[in-house]
Amino acid sequence: ILNVEQSPQSLHVQEGDSTNFTCSFPSSNFYALHWYRWETAKSPEALFVMTLNGDEKKKGRISATLNTKEGYSYLYIKGSQPEDSATYLCALGRNSGNTPLVFGKGTRLSVIA
Amino acid sequence: EAGVAQSPRYKIIEKRQSVAFWCNPISGHATLYWYQQILGQGPKLLIQFQNNGVVDDSQLPKDRFSAERLKGVDSTLKIQPAKLEDSAVYLCASNLAGAYEQYFGPGTRLTVT
Repeated sequence: ILNVEQSPQSLHVQEGDSTNFTCSFPSSNFYALHWYRWETAKSPEALFVMTLNGDEKKKGRISATLNTKEGYSYLYIKGSQPEDSATYLCALGRNSGNTPLVFGKGTRLSVIA
Repeated sequence: EAGVAQSPRYKIIEKRQSVAFWCNPISGHATLYWYQQILGQGPKLLIQFQNNGVVDDSQLPKDRFSAERLKGVDSTLKIQPAKLEDSAVYLCASNLAGAYEQYFGPGTRLTVT
């Protein structure tokens, strides 16, 4: 059974601060790693899909890294803005696609203006 | 491109009543998933369809939950009878054959009183 852990559970930062979250998973069971952003009352939005050890991806002020050998991924937000307030979900999926995702509990980020 | 549509967005029912949720995936997406997200937890798979066939329903409480995707497009998820512990957000997602990324709808928030 895959177990995906996310930390911290929640986070409050000031506008302009940079922050990061962690996603941990069994290194022996890695397939693909997904990051989603889920704002209240909206659809979860895909941020990144990473499959290779050492992958680094960036979208605007948000970036992510992947270490499959030690079983973790970091999500970084540079210069947090109030609109970054959301729950950030990490999920594992199989390489072949078309398979269910196993989610962590998420990190709830609140950015204070 | 239209996203995944779900309705209703919110539903409040009493325990032992029945409820149904509807999902319309992105056009051309053969795979459809229903996830249940209980407050404080990550989304958990209930059932996966490939076209109109069930691929994985191992975590679906079949004594009270049922789902169908008759024409390989729209899907409905039904709960009969509902229990208090069924209070959750029910998310529908879809993806293309062989693709990693899953696209989510906005979910239906169910409250059972």
